[in-house]
Amino acid sequence: SQQGEEDPQALSIQEGENATMNCSYKTSINNLQWYRQNSGRGLVHLILIRSNEREKHSGRLRVTLDTSKKSSSLLITASRAADTASYFCATDGTSGSARQLTFGSGTQLTVLP
Amino acid sequence: NAGVTQTPKFQVLKTGQSMTLQCAQDMNHNSMYWYRQDPGMGLRLIYYSASEGTTDKGEVPNGYNVSRLNKREFSLRLESAAPSQTSVYFCASGRIQGDGQPQHFGDGTRLSIL
Repeated sequence: SQQGEEDPQALSIQEGENATMNCSYKTSINNLQWYRQNSGRGLVHLILIRSNEREKHSGRLRVTLDTSKKSSSLLITASRAADTASYFCATDGTSGSARQLTFGSGTQLTVLP
Repeated sequence: NAGVTQTPKFQVLKTGQSMTLQCAQDMNHNSMYWYRQDPGMGLRLIYYSASEGTTDKGEVPNGYNVSRLNKREFSLRLESAAPSQTSVYFCASGRIQGDGQPQHFGDGTRLSIL
């Protein structure tokens, strides 16, 4: 079963605009990670936020985490056509004898030039 | 920098045929993973290996077997392929399982079962 669910499933914006994607999850986590997947390629890690952090920045990326609401958001500022990709959140949970990443179903972002 | 290398990139099989998907990483990572990605469903973990010599089932292990040949290589075998196994398969590696480090992915094997 999937832990994270992204919202929206698809997002289309103009170049230069900001893009916001949301992720909700169900159980306690150690950290939450965001990945990007370009068409026909593997996933590439973007940013990790730990459960005791509320916000993190990396270049044009800003991630927030609200553990009380079990949700996270990824903001891409000043988007570019090259940002067109699918974005996935992945949770590293605390339950079980061995922790694993559980991925959501992704948000397809299209940035129009 | 090769990172995670998967072979083959594409494969078409007939129902009942067997095949092994190969994965190798050159980052000296301890943990390796096999996922499948189906449309609209994100990635689901098939098997993983926390370290050389150990393997464990993930969320969807039925119909698959794995071998951690050495620290670098982790293979996925379909003994008797079924149409439901048509998917894109990704291999990933990571430094230490559960320590919050990111996983590094290969570019996938696109497998069609007729």
